[in-house]
Amino acid sequence: KNQVEQSPQSLIILEGKNCTLQCNYTVSPFSNLRWYKQDTGRGPVSLTIMTFSENTKSNGRYTATLDADTKQSSLHITASQLSDSASYICVVILTGANNLFFGTGTRLTVIP
Amino acid sequence: KAGVTQTPRYLIKTRGQQVTLSCSPISGHRSVSWYQQTPGQGLQFLFEYFSETQRNKGNFPGRFSGRQFSNSRSEMNVSTLELGDSALYLCASSRDGLAINYEQYFGPGTRLTVT
Repeated sequence: KNQVEQSPQSLIILEGKNCTLQCNYTVSPFSNLRWYKQDTGRGPVSLTIMTFSENTKSNGRYTATLDADTKQSSLHITASQLSDSASYICVVILTGANNLFFGTGTRLTVIP
Repeated sequence: KAGVTQTPRYLIKTRGQQVTLSCSPISGHRSVSWYQQTPGQGLQFLFEYFSETQRNKGNFPGRFSGRQFSNSRSEMNVSTLELGDSALYLCASSRDGLAINYEQYFGPGTRLTVT
C-alpha cells in the first residue's frame, strides 16, 4: 500500500479559478514534507518545504498546509494560470535518514 | 548559476546490455540523489551519494549501482537491462541531502528505453 496518497489523480480547471490538491500520508515520524511541480518532460521543481511543526507555507500563488494530527497536507493554487498545468507531487521525508516517500501525483490541466 | 545537468538526455538500449548515466550537480552541492520515474510506479528513490559515499539506498536490485567523484559528479549504472528498466532517470543535487534547510534541485532527466 502506498504510504503517500494523493487526490485527485487528475483535475481540469478553468484559468483564473482556484484549486486544492490533497496529500494523505501514513509514514512517520517525518522530517519534512515537500510539494513539487513537474512539467511534462522536465524534472520536478520544489514549491514548498514544511516541517512537522509548520501549518502553512506560501510560495507566490501556491500555499501548502499541513495537519500533522490527521496526517494530511494540501496545496492550494490561487488564480490559476495556463502555466500551472503540470503534475504536482507530494513527498514525505523521514526523520533521521534521507528516506523518502513519493505520492503518485495529481495531474492538473488549466484550460482557457 | 548553472543547474543540474544530465547526460545523455535520451538513450535506447537492448535487453541484457548495461548503461551508464551521468549527473553534474550544482556547484557547491555535495549530495546527489538518483530517482526512477515510470508511469506505473511514479517517482522512486534509488540512492544518494554524499562526499563520494553512498549514504542512503532505496529498494532496487543490485543491478542498479552508482558512484560519486571528488568533484561531486555522479554516475549511475544499470547492468543486465530489463524491459522494465525503461523509465525517466532523474538526478537531484542539494548542499546536504534532504534535511529541512536544503532545497533539492532536479536535472532534466535521462529517458532510457530498453527494447
